[in-house]
Amino acid sequence: GESVGLHLPTLSVQEGDNSIINCAYSNSASDYFIWYKQESGKGPQFIIDIRSNMDKRQGQRVTVLLNKTVKHLSLQIAATQPGDSAVYFCAETGDSWGKLQFGAGTQVVVTP
Amino acid sequence: GAVVSQHPSRVICKSGTSVKIECRSLDFQATTMFWYRQFPKQSLMLMATSNEGSKATYEQGVEKDKFLINHASLTLSTLTVTSAHPEDSSFYICSALREGFADTQYFGPGTRLTVL
Repeated sequence: GESVGLHLPTLSVQEGDNSIINCAYSNSASDYFIWYKQESGKGPQFIIDIRSNMDKRQGQRVTVLLNKTVKHLSLQIAATQPGDSAVYFCAETGDSWGKLQFGAGTQVVVTP
Repeated sequence: GAVVSQHPSRVICKSGTSVKIECRSLDFQATTMFWYRQFPKQSLMLMATSNEGSKATYEQGVEKDKFLINHASLTLSTLTVTSAHPEDSSFYICSALREGFADTQYFGPGTRLTVL
């Protein structure tokens, strides 16, 4: 079946640098995408979302880019901090309202 | 706002016993809640959709008689793992759909189940 996938399982970033986390999706019916952050032993935490009628959305230190032509989603974190170390998941709505399909996740490790 | 709690946060039980996990939306009403399980180093896998006042909808491959879901109110859904076995050991996470707020799912902190 169709699924959401990630290019990099682990991303090592130096503190202060910018991080870019990528996600490929294959379900063209998805119209809503979300990035979640999950720290060890905790539930996912909402970071930012974007609808398919947009190609960019900015939050505090984070930006989500959506390229529908190539079915690609990315999360950019500016000035990465140690507290950003976590697993990041992209999720899409797929064919069903309300239900989310999660990608495999990317472990971000921030080094001093 | 948009806080979801789970209880208990950790539970250890003997094989063959049943365990109930509660999921509560603390500051909003949720007609729809979801239950996920997550194995170490893996992604979240949707188990079922919990609908207030009606039967849950289970994903393919999830045994509805083993994972009983009850959504008796707009702020509470429960997942009961019946006759638990060691292979049921996992991290169980619920989410509540906050309608009208971009239909965003807000997740609970998770429950770590260990079956001995």
